[in-house]
Amino acid sequence: DAGVTQSPTHLIKTRGQQVTLRCSPKSGHDTVSWYQQALGQGPQFIFQYYEEEERQRGNFPDRFSGHQFPNYSSELNVNALLLGDSALYLCASSYLLEQFFGPGTRLTVL
Amino acid sequence: AQKITQTQPGMFVQEKEAVTLDCTYDTSDPSYGLFWYKQPSSGEMIFLIYQGSYDQQNATEGRYSLNFQKARKSANLVISASQLGDSAMYFCAMRGLIQGAQKLVFGQGTRLTINP
Repeated sequence: DAGVTQSPTHLIKTRGQQVTLRCSPKSGHDTVSWYQQALGQGPQFIFQYYEEEERQRGNFPDRFSGHQFPNYSSELNVNALLLGDSALYLCASSYLLEQFFGPGTRLTVL
Repeated sequence: AQKITQTQPGMFVQEKEAVTLDCTYDTSDPSYGLFWYKQPSSGEMIFLIYQGSYDQQNATEGRYSLNFQKARKSANLVISASQLGDSAMYFCAMRGLIQGAQKLVFGQGTRLTINP
């Protein structure tokens, strides 16, 4: 049983560009959450998707958007990248209580 | 609002010793859950242990136990018989258990180093 998978592993972009990160949840999980983890910090909640709709959102600007597909996989899109968007982006899937995390995508913005 | 505080940026422990990682929390939710995660240098967050606010007994999972003191709002992680592979970042997190309130709120983390 595959766990949560994320792609790509690493990504380098320049300021102003747009990026799309992808997440496939653990089998049987219907909810996907996205977190941003800056270097040396704890993860910060971006938003959560359930039944293809954004259910809850953290304190992130509209440049951050997402999508959930019928197979429960999800995408995180970030527009107009800033240097401060450089971070590890973690996806977590859940069914009821426990959240399982993927390995993350490390985004570097130059 | 929910808040997690981890006051130990780094901890150094000799192999085979027990170690306690501190975590205090603040929340207005009457029902909540507390989590501990391990994050090795690879980046993946590994779930270790969970404690519900209404659980009568402290949670245990193998070498991990959670010292839950509700009145003090603390949820310390105890690792018994530490191993070299325990060296990693450790994060305490919480979430409210009201329907829909599913986000995890994390602390700043503690970097644990196990010395041989």
